[in-house]
Amino acid sequence: DAKTTQPNSMESNEEEPVHLPCNHSTISGTDYIHWYRQLPSQGPEYVIHGLTSNVNNRMASLAIAEDRKSSTLILHRATLRDAAVYYCILRDGSSGSARQLTFGSGTQLTVLP
Amino acid sequence: DTGVSQDPRHKITKRGQNVTFRCDPISEHNRLYWYRQTLGQGPEFLTYFQNEAQLEKSRLLSDRFSAERPKGSFSTLEIQRTEQGDSAMYLCASSSKSTSTDTQYFGPGTRLTVL
Repeated sequence: DAKTTQPNSMESNEEEPVHLPCNHSTISGTDYIHWYRQLPSQGPEYVIHGLTSNVNNRMASLAIAEDRKSSTLILHRATLRDAAVYYCILRDGSSGSARQLTFGSGTQLTVLP
Repeated sequence: DTGVSQDPRHKITKRGQNVTFRCDPISEHNRLYWYRQTLGQGPEFLTYFQNEAQLEKSRLLSDRFSAERPKGSFSTLEIQRTEQGDSAMYLCASSSKSTSTDTQYFGPGTRLTVL
């Protein structure tokens, strides 16, 4: 899977929006962009994924650049419970490709009260 | 709760001992994964099952590690002759073949400490 680059850490104030960036300049046409997060002392949990178009779900929004070389995870109103490590992961969606997730170091999000 | 469960949650052992961890995936999921996570790092892939077949193994999975999924339901991960470097969180995840994007659902992990 292609490599992603994320900032090591970010801070946000509670109830404000958070934009978590991810660069993936070597993304291929069949790579999906996935975001997972890991709260303290828990396993990772799925947040959102997309291919080309922006996506929204109950947890977050995913904004994908037109050239797909970067994306941004948007938390519309950060809460203290959103403090976690956020991982941006590329996965090849073509059949026969590897099924496992390749995690980087992620972005540690701190939410300030 | 119908999520992925792992047992035990914590395991402390002495170097040289064998340990076995269990993972119960979400019941309708036919894919099961094991990952290992050390402090400050993201999880690293160890191995993957589709039903009872072990389809992929990482180079991280040395000869001392063995994983099984005998009936395509729960899975076990055994580490023989544990070493201090095996100390880590061992995570299990499951997913359904029916979804093209293969969202993985993780368990809470088993934290192994080798003394």
